[in-house]
Amino acid sequence: KAGVTQTPRYLIKTRGQQVTLSCSPISGHRSVSWYQQTPGQGLQFLFEYFSETQRNKGNFPGRFSGRQFSNSRSEMNVSTLELGDSALYLCASSFRNPGQGSGELFFGEGSRLTVL
Amino acid sequence: GENVEQHPSTLSVQEGDSAVIKCTYSDSASNYFPWYKQELGKRPQLIIDIRSNVGEKKDQRIAVTLNKTAKHFSLHITETQPEDSAVYFCAAIQGAQKLVFGQGTRLTINP
Repeated sequence: KAGVTQTPRYLIKTRGQQVTLSCSPISGHRSVSWYQQTPGQGLQFLFEYFSETQRNKGNFPGRFSGRQFSNSRSEMNVSTLELGDSALYLCASSFRNPGQGSGELFFGEGSRLTVL
Repeated sequence: GENVEQHPSTLSVQEGDSAVIKCTYSDSASNYFPWYKQELGKRPQLIIDIRSNVGEKKDQRIAVTLNKTAKHFSLHITETQPEDSAVYFCAAIQGAQKLVFGQGTRLTINP
């Protein structure tokens, strides 16, 4: 069974640019969530999607957005990049149906974004 | 919303000794508390979890305890081994709400 796949694995951008990251969940998982990981800040929740609908949102500015497609694949976009956006962006999929309980998160290997 | 505090941020123990990591949460309605382990350069993986209707859960050398009254839960690792070296994250969730992680604890096992 294939795991969670994130692309690209590494990317370098300059300030002001935008970036799109992709996440393919484990087959059968309909919940996809995104996290930003930086040293000392742990795992900061960005958003969660289920059945193409955003179910939860973290405390990030509107420059951070996402979407989920009918096949459960998800993308997140960051516009007008800032130096502070440099981080590892992790995607996780789950059987979890928000509102019906919790389940194990299966993480991808992440997309490491460097903003120069 | 939920807030999770995790301590200590770093922990160093001798191989064979025990390690304890503690977390507190703010939302008394939280009912699910997982622990994730992230080895260097790898993805976080679930190692154990506990639900609010249980006070303790064990799995071989690891155990988690939950005190709902005090709103804190702890991870206990006994007979530590070099492969236990990693960053450990606690988390809490309430119903449909987002999973909120603690800041992480970097555990180092000294030979």
